Amino acid sequence: RKEVEQDPGPFNVPEGATVAFNCTYSNSASQSFFWYRQDCRKEPKLLMSVYSSGNEDGRFTAQLNRASQYISLLIRDSKLSDSATYLCVVNMLGSGGGADGLTFGKGTHLIIQP
Amino acid sequence: NAGVTQTPKFQVLKTGQSMTLQCAQDMNHNSMYWYRQDPGMGLRLIYYSASEGTTDKGEVPNGYNVSRLNKREFSLRLESAAPSQTSVYFCASSEVLAGGSYEQYFGPGTRLTVT
Repeated sequence: RKEVEQDPGPFNVPEGATVAFNCTYSNSASQSFFWYRQDCRKEPKLLMSVYSSGNEDGRFTAQLNRASQYISLLIRDSKLSDSATYLCVVNMLGSGGGADGLTFGKGTHLIIQP
Repeated sequence: NAGVTQTPKFQVLKTGQSMTLQCAQDMNHNSMYWYRQDPGMGLRLIYYSASEGTTDKGEVPNGYNVSRLNKREFSLRLESAAPSQTSVYFCASSEVLAGGSYEQYFGPGTRLTVT
C-alpha cells in the first residue's frame, strides 16, 4: 500500500471556482501534515501546515480527518496563478522518509482556466 | 540569505561518465537531503544527512554516493552515469517547526540528462 496517495489529476477548473482535493495516508501514527506547492519546472515550497482543528490561510483551507486518515485542501475563488501541482506531505518517522520523516505524495495537478 | 543553492542547473552526460552535484545551504540547518523527481513518480529520497558527519540511504540510493562536507554542504556523486539516472535532482534542508515537526526548503534543482 502506498504511504501517501493523491489523485494525480489534472483538475481543470474555471477561474473563480472552488476546488478541493484529498490525500490519504497509511500510517495512523503520523503526527504532522502539510501541503506543498510546486510550479512547473520549479522546486516544491511549503503552502501550509494542516492542524487537527483545521486551518485557513486566505483562500486556502486545510482539514485533517484522523479517523479516516486523510487531509484535504480547499481553494476558494481560484486564480490563474493557483495553477500548480499540490503535494501532500506527511510526517512518518521510521518510514524511510529521512531524518525528519517527511513523506511526499506524488502530487495533484491543478489547472485554472480563464 | 540565499537559502539552498545547487550547481549546476543543467547537465548532459554520456553513459559511464561521472559527476558531482553540489548543494549548499546558509540557514544553519542540521538535516539535508537529495531527491530525484521523475514524471509520475513524485519525489524519491536518494540519501539524507541528519547532521554533519552522518549520511543514510533513502528509498533509491543505488548508483549514487554522497558526502556531507560540513554543515553547509551536501554533495551527490554519480560514479558511472546511466540513462536511468536522467531526472531532476533536488537538494533540501530542513528546520524544526514549533510543535516538533519540520519544514523542508528546496534548492532550484539540477536537470540531468544521460545519453
